[in-house]
Amino acid sequence: EAGVAQSPRYKIIEKRQSVAFWCNPISGHATLYWYQQILGQGPKLLIQFQNNGVVDDSQLPKDRFSAERLKGVDSTLKIQPAKLEDSAVYLCASSLDLMFSYEQYFGPGTRLTVT
Amino acid sequence: DAKTTQPPSMDCAEGRAANLPCNHSTISGNEYVYWYRQIHSQGPQYIIHGLKNNETNEMASLIITEDRKSSTLILPHATLRDTAVYYCIVRVAGNAGGTSYGKLTFGQGTILTVHP
Repeated sequence: EAGVAQSPRYKIIEKRQSVAFWCNPISGHATLYWYQQILGQGPKLLIQFQNNGVVDDSQLPKDRFSAERLKGVDSTLKIQPAKLEDSAVYLCASSLDLMFSYEQYFGPGTRLTVT
Repeated sequence: DAKTTQPPSMDCAEGRAANLPCNHSTISGNEYVYWYRQIHSQGPQYIIHGLKNNETNEMASLIITEDRKSSTLILPHATLRDTAVYYCIVRVAGNAGGTSYGKLTFGQGTILTVHP
């Protein structure tokens, strides 16, 4: 089966610019997650969706970050405007369902560099 | 979710067993122990999980102490490709409800280096 797809793989922008990341989860997976991983740290959950509804966005900096999953499949994560501290790898993951202890499958990530 | 404590780094010789410890002394009865690993420049990869019984799959074995306050991930015959950061995570599962449901909280993990 195809894995979680993410694009772009790399992005370099200047501070105050905007950027968007795209994720296509594994077919049939109801739950989708976005994580931020700063160099040397473990991934930190930003937001999780169940189908097209938000389950948890408590760690999403909502003044600059937004995410959507309009049709319950693909998702986009946007940063506007970007800050230097947003430099990180943004990981998308999906799982069959939120209700049970299903494993999460991760994509390769998008490495963002803000200069 | 309960917090975990892992050693920051470990070494292992190729072909030998790698035993990665994890302390989770505040784990609750409805929390599972999960292990993920992250190879350089890749996303994390699920390895194994368990509640109270020992578990084994094609990748590894998970040994959970009887009091559930600690666990050990065992890679029986480590190879150079097993060099990675290994994360031990406790996670609420089942129909517990709440926003922590299904959430993975990653710590710093253990950097395992397998050498020839």
